[in-house]
Amino acid sequence: DGGITQSPKYLFRKEGQNVTLSCEQNLNHDAMYWYRQDPGQGLRLIYYSQIVNDFQKGDIAEGYSVSREKKESFPLTVTSAQKNPTAFYLCASSISSGLNYGYTFGSGTRLTVV
Amino acid sequence: AQKITQTQPGMFVQEKEAVTLDCTYDTSDPSYGLFWYKQPSSGEMIFLIYQGSYDQQNATEGRYSLNFQKARKSANLVISASQLGDSAMYFCAMREGGSSASKIIFGSGTRLSIRP
Repeated sequence: DGGITQSPKYLFRKEGQNVTLSCEQNLNHDAMYWYRQDPGQGLRLIYYSQIVNDFQKGDIAEGYSVSREKKESFPLTVTSAQKNPTAFYLCASSISSGLNYGYTFGSGTRLTVV
Repeated sequence: AQKITQTQPGMFVQEKEAVTLDCTYDTSDPSYGLFWYKQPSSGEMIFLIYQGSYDQQNATEGRYSLNFQKARKSANLVISASQLGDSAMYFCAMREGGSSASKIIFGSGTRLSIRP
């Protein structure tokens, strides 16, 4: 079955450490996105990519980095510059950036700083 | 400026009753799409329903319907005959046309709890 796979499901990071969250899709979708969700809040856009080798900053890109070397993959690195990384991270993809195309979401990665 | 507003942080509803979750939006773009997603405690986001700005009819998907009032910029989700499994967070979202067509923006959500 097609879908989006995020790994790991739970991740623990020490202070000052970089960590990378994986997001892989086999839906042949062009666009991919990373969102951050804090408890009881909505989703905030970190980065998004519409095509391979191209990506744009979202609303809260500071302290994060991404790459899009393959259509299927859009990993997110949480760097040590991100001072409050504890959150739930959701990856999503869309077949197109057309108005009537919604997202398919992964199951999320819960990141905790220890 | 906040573009999607959900004014109900939490709601309690008796099982089998209908429930309306409020959503207002703000955009100057004539072309936009509106979405509702459900997020159970497991964290996954489940697409429920879509309404295009040019759609003449209100969208319906099974027990879900979207009460679209364009002049009021309102896109309320109506769940008929609520079930215990409907307990979750619900997010209203919007995608605009033009250069920012790629992004969907989300409201802060409403936590719906269904009482047996």
